[in-house]
Amino acid sequence: QLQLQESGPGLLKPSETLSLTCSVPGGSFSSSDNFWGWIRQSPGKGLEWIGSLFYETIYSTASLRSRVIISLDTSRQHLSLRLTSVTAADTAVYYCARLVSEHGDDHRWFDPWGQGIQVTVSS
Amino acid sequence: EIVLTQSPAALSVSPGEKATLSCRASQSVRNNLAWYQQKPGQAPRLVIHGASTRATGIPARFSGSGSGTEFTLTISSLQSEDFGVYFCQQYSQWPPDYTFGQGTKLQIK
Repeated sequence: QLQLQESGPGLLKPSETLSLTCSVPGGSFSSSDNFWGWIRQSPGKGLEWIGSLFYETIYSTASLRSRVIISLDTSRQHLSLRLTSVTAADTAVYYCARLVSEHGDDHRWFDPWGQGIQVTVSS
Repeated sequence: EIVLTQSPAALSVSPGEKATLSCRASQSVRNNLAWYQQKPGQAPRLVIHGASTRATGIPARFSGSGSGTEFTLTISSLQSEDFGVYFCQQYSQWPPDYTFGQGTKLQIK
């Protein structure tokens, strides 16, 4: 079973850039049919999709679109999330997840999820 | 944005009894709906995809039904390990705009 693991700083100041990575311990992101996403969870907003990477195209939720960059580095075997100009509203647990489908089409759900990493934005 | 509304917000069920959780979409998502279980301190775990297909390793007591805007997750004979928060998620749109319900907290009575 694929396992994913997020890493990065747990505490940022307002206006800084959040940078997280997602790795596959002992494995890789090299499969061409695999796509990837980031989701976050906070007490106030519940689960919120941040964005996903399909081939080299980033799709993201409208409210974060101007601040989100997602990239996949297959040589270094990690998925990255950058969220610029963070505020306290970006405080959440951040998850990476694989996007899978039954028939290889565009309708995909998240499985599995990483363990999550708590990120707090505070001055 | 497709809004998913789950009900009830919380549910307390005795072991061996049936639990029924609902998820309503603000517009049709056809059968592009997943259910996840989340336990405290853990990541969500896929339970159902395609509205009714159990994920690998999920016991047969879990079943999903519905299409369009009304969906149900049923746990036929609740076990103690089934407690947690259950979320629905739709994945019907392209370009993707995934949304989640607010969750139903299932407690063992």
